[in-house]
Amino acid sequence: SQKIEQNSEALNIQEGKTATLTCNYTNYSPAYLQWYRQDPGRGPVFLLLIRENEKEKRKERLKVTFDTTLKQSLFHITASQPADSATYLCALDSNTGNQFYFGTGTSLTVIP
Amino acid sequence: DTGVSQNPRHKITKRGQNVTFRCDPISEHNRLYWYRQTLGQGPEFLTYFQNEAQLEKSRLLSDRFSAERPKGSFSTLEIQRTEQGDSAMYLCASSLAGQGPEAFFGQGTRLTVV
Repeated sequence: SQKIEQNSEALNIQEGKTATLTCNYTNYSPAYLQWYRQDPGRGPVFLLLIRENEKEKRKERLKVTFDTTLKQSLFHITASQPADSATYLCALDSNTGNQFYFGTGTSLTVIP
Repeated sequence: DTGVSQNPRHKITKRGQNVTFRCDPISEHNRLYWYRQTLGQGPEFLTYFQNEAQLEKSRLLSDRFSAERPKGSFSTLEIQRTEQGDSAMYLCASSLAGQGPEAFFGQGTRLTVV
C-alpha cells in the first residue's frame, strides 16, 4: 500500500496570491499522480495528472510538479480566486493499477 | 447524460437493515470503482470492475458488502446488516481503459445508519 500525506492544516490565502499544496508519499514510486478538487457534499473532480517521467505539468492557472527523489508533488494555483476554495486531494496509482490511494486532502480558502 | 450518476443521493437506515446503492457510469466506460469516504478523510478504495468482472476488492469490503456489475454497465453496492460504522459517503467512479487513468466520480450516496 501507500502512505500519503497532504498539508494537515487548512490553507488560507489572499485572493490573487499563489496557493501551494503538498503531497508526500512514503513507499513505492507511482507511475502517475493525480490531483482532484472536491467541494462539500460532492464527488471529487479530476484536475491534473502527472507521470513519473514528467517533472512539471500545467493547465491554465494550475501547475503540478513531481519529484520522485523527494517522493513529493506540489500543486500550485496561481492568481487564486475565491471560487478556488475547496478541498484538494492527491491520488497515487496502486502497484496493481486497479485503484488509487488518496491523501486526506488539504482545505483551501481564498479570502477576497 | 454525460456524467456518473448515483442513486439515491441520501439514505437513512436503521442499524441492521440492508441497503443497496446504484451507480450508472459514463457510457462506454469499462472501468468502474467504488470508494468510501468519511468526514475529513480521503476516499478509500472498496472494489474495482473491468466490464462485468470484479478484479480487485479491498480488505475494507467485509462479507456484509457485495458489489455487482452484471452486464458491464451499471453497478450496485449492497450492505447487509448495516452498522453505525458504515455511515459514510459512498462514491462511484468510472474510466475508459486506454484513455488515461483519470477517474470521473459521481456525486456519491450519503449513508446514515441510526
